[in-house]
Amino acid sequence: DGGITQSPKYLFRKEGQNVTLSCEQNLNHDAMYWYRQDPGQGLRLIYYSQIVNDFQKGDIAEGYSVSREKKESFPLTVTSAQKNPTAFYLCASGQSGGYTFGSGTRLTVV
Amino acid sequence: AQKITQTQPGMFVQEKEAVTLDCTYDTSDPSYGLFWYKQPSSGEMIFLIYQGSYDQQNATEGRYSLNFQKARKSANLVISASQLGDSAMYFCPHNVEEYGNKLVFGAGTILRVKS
Repeated sequence: DGGITQSPKYLFRKEGQNVTLSCEQNLNHDAMYWYRQDPGQGLRLIYYSQIVNDFQKGDIAEGYSVSREKKESFPLTVTSAQKNPTAFYLCASGQSGGYTFGSGTRLTVV
Repeated sequence: AQKITQTQPGMFVQEKEAVTLDCTYDTSDPSYGLFWYKQPSSGEMIFLIYQGSYDQQNATEGRYSLNFQKARKSANLVISASQLGDSAMYFCPHNVEEYGNKLVFGAGTILRVKS
């Protein structure tokens, strides 16, 4: 079955540490997106990529980095520059008439 | 800037009754899409219904229908015959072709269905 896989489901980060969230899709979508969701709030766009080897900043890109070396993969790195990284992170793919979301990664700073 | 407004932070509805969740959007682009997603407590985003800006008729999908009023820039979701499993957060993002088709979200509405 086609879909998006995010891993891990839960992630704990120490202060000053970089962590990478994985997002893989087998839907053959060109465009992929990373969103952040804080408790009780909507989704905010971090980064997006419309084609391999190209990506653009979203509304809250500071403290995050991405790569898009393969069509299927769009990993997100939360760097130590992100001062408040505790949140729920959702990856999505698709465009125009339809988008598919992964099941999310809950990141907690310990 | 593209903006979505969901004015109802929380809603209650009695089981088996209908409920309308409000959504207004702000774009001057003629080509855009409107979506409704459901997010249960597990966090997954479940697609419910889609309306394109050029669609002449309101979209329907089973118990879900979209009341699309283009001139008022509103796209309200109507859920008929509410079920306990409808309790969740609901979002109405939109995408705009001019801005790369990114989905833009509002704050969402929490729906609680009472038995």
